[in-house]
Amino acid sequence: GENVEQHPSTLSVQEGDSAVIKCTYSDSASNYFPWYKQELGKGPQLIIDIRSNVGEKKDQRIAVTLNKTAKHFSLHITETQPEDSAVYFCAASMNTGNQFYFGTGTSLTVIP
Amino acid sequence: NAGVMQNPRHLVRRRGQEARLRCSPMKGHSHVYWYRQLPEEGLKFMVYLQKENIIDESGMPKERFSAEFPKEGPSILRIQQVVRGDSAAYFCASSPKGVRSGEQYFGPGTRLTVT
Repeated sequence: GENVEQHPSTLSVQEGDSAVIKCTYSDSASNYFPWYKQELGKGPQLIIDIRSNVGEKKDQRIAVTLNKTAKHFSLHITETQPEDSAVYFCAASMNTGNQFYFGTGTSLTVIP
Repeated sequence: NAGVMQNPRHLVRRRGQEARLRCSPMKGHSHVYWYRQLPEEGLKFMVYLQKENIIDESGMPKERFSAEFPKEGPSILRIQQVVRGDSAAYFCASSPKGVRSGEQYFGPGTRLTVT
Protein backbone atom coordinates (compact mmCIF):
# COMPACT_ATOMS: atom_id res chain seq x y z
CA GLY A 1 0.00 0.00 0.00
CA GLU A 2 0.87 3.68 0.03
CA ASN A 3 3.58 4.99 2.40
CA VAL A 4 3.64 8.67 3.32
CA GLU A 5 6.67 10.14 5.06
CA GLN A 6 6.69 13.60 6.61
CA HIS A 7 9.56 15.86 7.70
CA PRO A 8 10.47 17.48 9.98
CA SER A 9 8.72 16.06 13.02
CA THR A 10 9.16 19.35 14.90
CA LEU A 11 9.69 22.85 13.60
CA SER A 12 10.17 26.15 15.42
CA VAL A 13 10.10 29.47 13.61
CA GLN A 14 10.05 33.10 14.64
CA GLU A 15 6.81 34.95 14.13
CA GLY A 16 6.75 36.44 10.64
CA ASP A 17 9.11 33.86 9.17
CA SER A 18 8.07 31.12 6.75
CA ALA A 19 7.57 27.45 7.57
CA VAL A 20 7.90 24.56 5.14
CA ILE A 21 6.81 20.98 5.77
CA LYS A 22 7.61 18.23 3.28
CA CYS A 23 6.01 14.89 2.51
CA THR A 24 6.88 12.08 0.15
CA TYR A 25 4.64 9.29 -1.08
CA SER A 26 5.39 5.96 -2.67
CA ASP A 27 2.46 5.08 -4.92
CA SER A 28 2.34 6.97 -8.21
CA ALA A 29 -1.41 6.24 -8.38
CA SER A 30 -2.06 8.67 -5.50
CA ASN A 31 -3.79 11.73 -6.86
CA TYR A 32 -5.18 13.71 -3.92
CA PHE A 33 -3.04 15.34 -1.23
CA PRO A 34 -4.72 17.17 1.65
CA TRP A 35 -3.10 18.93 4.59
CA TYR A 36 -4.65 19.03 8.05
CA LYS A 37 -4.04 21.22 11.08
CA GLN A 38 -4.67 19.72 14.50
CA GLU A 39 -4.81 21.94 17.54
CA LEU A 40 -4.43 20.53 21.01
CA GLY A 41 -7.44 18.50 22.05
CA LYS A 42 -9.21 18.86 18.72
CA GLY A 43 -9.73 16.86 15.57
CA PRO A 44 -7.72 17.54 12.40
CA GLN A 45 -9.08 20.32 10.20
CA LEU A 46 -8.54 20.43 6.46
CA ILE A 47 -6.60 23.58 5.57
CA ILE A 48 -5.64 23.07 1.94
CA ASP A 49 -5.53 20.30 -0.62
CA ILE A 50 -4.14 19.67 -4.08
CA ARG A 51 -4.93 17.22 -6.83
CA SER A 52 -2.40 15.61 -9.13
CA ASN A 53 -3.39 17.68 -12.15
CA VAL A 54 -2.16 20.85 -10.43
CA GLY A 55 1.38 21.83 -9.43
CA GLU A 56 0.64 24.54 -6.90
CA LYS A 57 -2.29 25.94 -4.97
CA LYS A 58 -2.46 29.02 -2.73
CA ASP A 59 -4.89 30.23 -0.11
CA GLN A 60 -3.81 33.46 1.52
CA ARG A 61 -0.74 32.65 3.65
CA ILE A 62 -0.66 28.95 2.91
CA ALA A 63 0.35 27.17 -0.26
CA VAL A 64 0.95 23.60 -1.33
CA THR A 65 3.24 22.43 -4.10
CA LEU A 66 3.27 19.03 -5.76
CA ASN A 67 6.05 17.35 -7.73
CA LYS A 68 4.54 14.21 -9.25
CA THR A 69 7.79 13.06 -10.82
CA ALA A 70 9.64 13.10 -7.52
CA LYS A 71 6.53 12.05 -5.60
CA HIS A 72 6.70 14.78 -3.02
CA PHE A 73 4.53 17.64 -1.89
CA SER A 74 5.09 20.50 0.52
CA LEU A 75 3.13 22.90 2.69
CA HIS A 76 4.33 26.49 2.85
CA ILE A 77 3.13 28.93 5.48
CA THR A 78 4.27 32.52 5.08
CA GLU A 79 4.22 35.34 7.64
CA THR A 80 3.67 32.86 10.43
CA GLN A 81 1.61 33.87 13.45
CA PRO A 82 1.42 32.33 16.95
CA GLU A 83 -2.00 30.90 16.11
CA ASP A 84 -0.35 28.81 13.39
CA SER A 85 1.21 26.72 16.17
CA ALA A 86 -0.28 23.23 15.87
CA VAL A 87 0.44 19.76 14.51
CA TYR A 88 0.21 19.51 10.74
CA PHE A 89 -0.48 16.26 8.89
CA CYS A 90 -0.13 15.51 5.21
CA ALA A 91 -2.08 12.72 3.57
CA ALA A 92 -2.44 10.98 0.23
CA SER A 93 -5.20 9.01 -1.41
CA MET A 94 -6.08 7.52 -4.78
CA ASN A 95 -9.57 7.37 -6.18
CA THR A 96 -9.23 3.65 -6.87
CA GLY A 97 -8.58 2.90 -3.22
CA ASN A 98 -10.47 3.08 0.05
CA GLN A 99 -8.07 4.81 2.39
CA PHE A 100 -6.37 8.07 3.18
CA TYR A 101 -2.72 7.56 4.18
CA PHE A 102 -1.34 10.01 6.71
CA GLY A 103 2.13 11.26 7.48
CA THR A 104 3.34 11.16 11.08
CA GLY A 105 2.81 14.86 11.68
CA THR A 106 4.89 18.00 12.20
CA SER A 107 4.60 19.96 15.42
CA LEU A 108 4.99 23.62 14.45
CA THR A 109 5.77 26.23 17.09
CA VAL A 110 5.71 29.91 16.15
CA ILE A 111 7.71 31.94 18.64
CA PRO A 112 6.32 35.44 19.25
CA ASN B 1 -24.66 22.44 8.64
CA ALA B 2 -23.34 20.92 11.83
CA GLY B 3 -19.94 19.31 11.66
CA VAL B 4 -19.04 15.74 12.49
CA MET B 5 -20.10 14.93 16.03
CA GLN B 6 -18.57 12.36 18.30
CA ASN B 7 -19.58 11.27 21.75
CA PRO B 8 -18.57 10.84 24.35
CA ARG B 9 -15.59 13.20 24.19
CA HIS B 10 -13.90 11.40 27.05
CA LEU B 11 -14.46 7.81 28.11
CA VAL B 12 -12.87 5.95 31.00
CA ARG B 13 -13.17 2.19 31.15
CA ARG B 14 -11.64 -0.47 33.37
CA ARG B 15 -9.81 -3.35 31.79
CA GLY B 16 -12.27 -5.94 30.52
CA GLN B 17 -15.17 -3.54 30.03
CA GLU B 18 -16.69 -2.55 26.70
CA ALA B 19 -16.20 0.84 25.06
CA ARG B 20 -18.75 2.18 22.62
CA LEU B 21 -17.84 5.24 20.57
CA ARG B 22 -20.38 7.10 18.46
CA CYS B 23 -19.97 9.22 15.36
CA SER B 24 -22.65 11.26 13.60
CA PRO B 25 -21.43 12.31 10.15
CA MET B 26 -22.14 15.63 8.51
CA LYS B 27 -25.55 15.92 6.92
CA GLY B 28 -25.56 14.30 3.50
CA HIS B 29 -22.38 12.30 4.11
CA SER B 30 -22.73 8.56 3.78
CA HIS B 31 -19.07 7.61 4.13
CA VAL B 32 -17.41 7.27 7.54
CA TYR B 33 -13.81 6.53 8.49
CA TRP B 34 -12.45 5.66 11.92
CA TYR B 35 -8.88 6.43 12.96
CA ARG B 36 -6.82 5.83 16.08
CA GLN B 37 -4.23 8.28 17.29
CA LEU B 38 -1.72 7.45 19.99
CA PRO B 39 0.07 10.30 21.82
CA GLU B 40 2.74 11.96 19.68
CA GLU B 41 1.78 9.78 16.70
CA GLY B 42 -0.12 10.17 13.47
CA LEU B 43 -3.52 8.91 12.48
CA LYS B 44 -3.86 5.20 11.83
CA PHE B 45 -6.69 4.07 9.59
CA MET B 46 -8.97 1.50 11.17
CA VAL B 47 -12.13 1.05 9.12
CA TYR B 48 -14.13 2.61 6.30
CA LEU B 49 -17.90 2.25 6.20
CA GLN B 50 -20.63 3.31 3.86
CA LYS B 51 -24.21 3.19 5.04
CA GLU B 52 -24.88 -0.35 6.33
CA ASN B 53 -21.70 -1.72 4.73
CA ILE B 54 -18.11 -2.20 5.82
CA ILE B 55 -15.98 -1.31 2.81
CA ASP B 56 -12.48 -1.72 4.26
CA GLU B 57 -11.60 -2.95 7.75
CA SER B 58 -7.98 -3.76 7.05
CA GLY B 59 -6.72 -1.43 9.77
CA MET B 60 -8.90 -2.77 12.54
CA PRO B 61 -7.73 -5.57 14.87
CA LYS B 62 -9.68 -8.73 14.10
CA GLU B 63 -10.45 -9.44 17.72
CA ARG B 64 -12.42 -7.28 20.15
CA PHE B 65 -13.01 -4.44 17.65
CA SER B 66 -16.10 -4.00 15.50
CA ALA B 67 -17.77 -1.16 13.66
CA GLU B 68 -21.16 -0.49 12.17
CA PHE B 69 -22.97 2.28 10.35
CA PRO B 70 -26.68 1.45 10.38
CA LYS B 71 -29.25 2.88 8.03
CA GLU B 72 -30.52 5.07 10.83
CA GLY B 73 -28.36 6.51 13.57
CA PRO B 74 -24.69 7.11 14.14
CA SER B 75 -21.73 4.96 13.27
CA ILE B 76 -20.47 2.99 16.25
CA LEU B 77 -17.00 1.69 17.00
CA ARG B 78 -17.15 -1.00 19.65
CA ILE B 79 -14.19 -2.29 21.62
CA GLN B 80 -14.85 -5.32 23.78
CA GLN B 81 -12.78 -6.37 26.77
CA VAL B 82 -10.62 -3.25 26.63
CA VAL B 83 -6.95 -3.41 27.57
CA ARG B 84 -4.55 -0.61 28.54
CA GLY B 85 -3.12 -0.58 25.02
CA ASP B 86 -6.50 0.55 23.69
CA SER B 87 -6.05 3.93 25.40
CA ALA B 88 -5.91 6.46 22.58
CA ALA B 89 -7.86 9.17 20.81
CA TYR B 90 -10.34 7.80 18.30
CA PHE B 91 -11.42 10.07 15.49
CA CYS B 92 -14.08 9.60 12.91
CA ALA B 93 -14.28 11.48 9.64
CA SER B 94 -17.10 11.71 7.15
CA SER B 95 -17.06 12.27 3.43
CA PRO B 96 -19.75 12.94 0.81
CA LYS B 97 -18.34 10.56 -1.79
CA GLY B 98 -15.55 8.64 -0.12
CA VAL B 99 -12.05 8.60 -1.46
CA ARG B 100 -13.30 9.58 -4.93
CA SER B 101 -14.16 13.06 -3.74
CA GLY B 102 -11.04 13.30 -1.63
CA GLU B 103 -12.66 15.36 1.09
CA GLN B 104 -13.08 14.17 4.63
CA TYR B 105 -14.07 16.12 7.69
CA PHE B 106 -13.04 15.08 11.17
CA GLY B 107 -14.92 15.07 14.42
CA PRO B 108 -13.40 16.26 17.71
CA GLY B 109 -12.48 12.75 18.78
CA THR B 110 -13.17 10.47 21.73
CA ARG B 111 -10.34 10.08 24.20
CA LEU B 112 -10.46 6.61 25.67
CA THR B 113 -8.59 5.87 28.86
CA VAL B 114 -8.38 2.30 30.12
CA THR B 115 -7.50 1.98 33.79
